[in-house]
Amino acid sequence: KAGVTQTPRYLIKTRGQQVTLSCSPISGHRSVSWYQQTPGQGLQFLFEYFSETQRNKGNFPGRFSGRQFSNSRSEMNVSTLELGDSALYLCASSSLRGGNTEAFFGQGTRLTVV
Amino acid sequence: KNQVEQSPQSLIILEGKNCTLQCNYTVSPFSNLRWYKQDTGRGPVSLTIMTFSENTKSNGRYTATLDADTKQSSLHITASQLSDSASYICVVSAYNQGGKLIFGQGTELSVKP
Repeated sequence: KAGVTQTPRYLIKTRGQQVTLSCSPISGHRSVSWYQQTPGQGLQFLFEYFSETQRNKGNFPGRFSGRQFSNSRSEMNVSTLELGDSALYLCASSSLRGGNTEAFFGQGTRLTVV
Repeated sequence: KNQVEQSPQSLIILEGKNCTLQCNYTVSPFSNLRWYKQDTGRGPVSLTIMTFSENTKSNGRYTATLDADTKQSSLHITASQLSDSASYICVVSAYNQGGKLIFGQGTELSVKP
């Protein structure tokens, strides 16, 4: 069974540009959550999608957005990139929402904003 | 405010030795507590998940404990190996927050030969 796949693995963008990251969850999983990881802040929750609907959102500005498709694949978009957006972006998939359901993480997308 | 705090921030031990990592949380209402291992440049991998009613769970050489009354957890690693060098992250889930996970800052463990 394939794991969580995130593409691309590495990305370099210029300030002011926008970027789209992709996450393909484990087959059969309907919940996808996104996290930002930086050395100073650790892992922070961005948003959660389940059945194509955003169910939960973290404390990030509106420049960060996402969506989920009918096949459960998810994308997140960051517009008007800032230097501080440089981070490892991780997505996690699970079969159900919350509870004791295990979350499986992808390898992440390393975004560098210059 | 829901928070997860871990100690120590970093730890260096010799191969074969045991160690214990600590986690305190203020997340409410509590649903479950997880420990993840994250190798450099890779995504976190789950080690254990414990609910309110569980006070210990093992996964090979990893043993996690949970005291829901004091809101503390520990991860004990037995007979450490070089491959245990990684960041260990304590993660707590709130009962009414769906898939949202609250992460600690992690403990950076380095196992030396």
